[in-house]
Amino acid sequence: GAGVSQSPSNKVTEKGKDVELRCDPISGHTALYWYRQRLGQGLEFLIYFQGNSAPDKSGLPSDRFSAERTGESVSTLTIQRTQQEDSAVYLCASSLNSGSWETQYFGPGTRLLVL
Amino acid sequence: GDSVTQMEGPVTLSEEAFLTINCTYTATGYPSLFWYVQYPGEGLQLLLKATKADDKGSNKGFEATYRKETTSFHLEKGSVQVSDSAVYFCALSGQGAQKLVFGQGTRLTINP
Repeated sequence: GAGVSQSPSNKVTEKGKDVELRCDPISGHTALYWYRQRLGQGLEFLIYFQGNSAPDKSGLPSDRFSAERTGESVSTLTIQRTQQEDSAVYLCASSLNSGSWETQYFGPGTRLLVL
Repeated sequence: GDSVTQMEGPVTLSEEAFLTINCTYTATGYPSLFWYVQYPGEGLQLLLKATKADDKGSNKGFEATYRKETTSFHLEKGSVQVSDSAVYFCALSGQGAQKLVFGQGTRLTINP
């Protein structure tokens, strides 16, 4: 079956512009996660959705970052007034249910470059 | 907070060599432990996992045992192949939590 998909695969933007990153989870997966990986660093958690609510937003680095999810479907991560330090690969993952033992399935990522 | 420390790379081995990539963690309670792998040009995928102490996860000839007493989850393979060249990430999900906490990743290169 189809895996997690993300769009766009690459995005180049100018400092100060807003960007929207999209994630389509695996059908039927109730939990959805966003992570980012900056060059030379590990993956950092950003936010987690269960259904369309976000019980854990603790990883969002500033109020320029926001995310929403429609039901148990598509999620959008929005970065307002982008800064050069926002350049990273943004990864989305989904899991069938929430729980520390659940396997998270990752998408291919969106590579964001802020000039 | 929870954290994962894994062996820094890059690691270069010859085909058929024995592989160990060390991973230790800090967490309260009983986390679940994972190894994810990213092959060149591909996305991150689960390699194996263990969800309670003394469990052994295994897949594709790789193994890792959840050691509570040493807070470790070292990845091993008896005989590596060129196709095992990839970046390997150790991760944990804390008891009662959903997010994954990742180590820095270890780049492994296997030469023929």
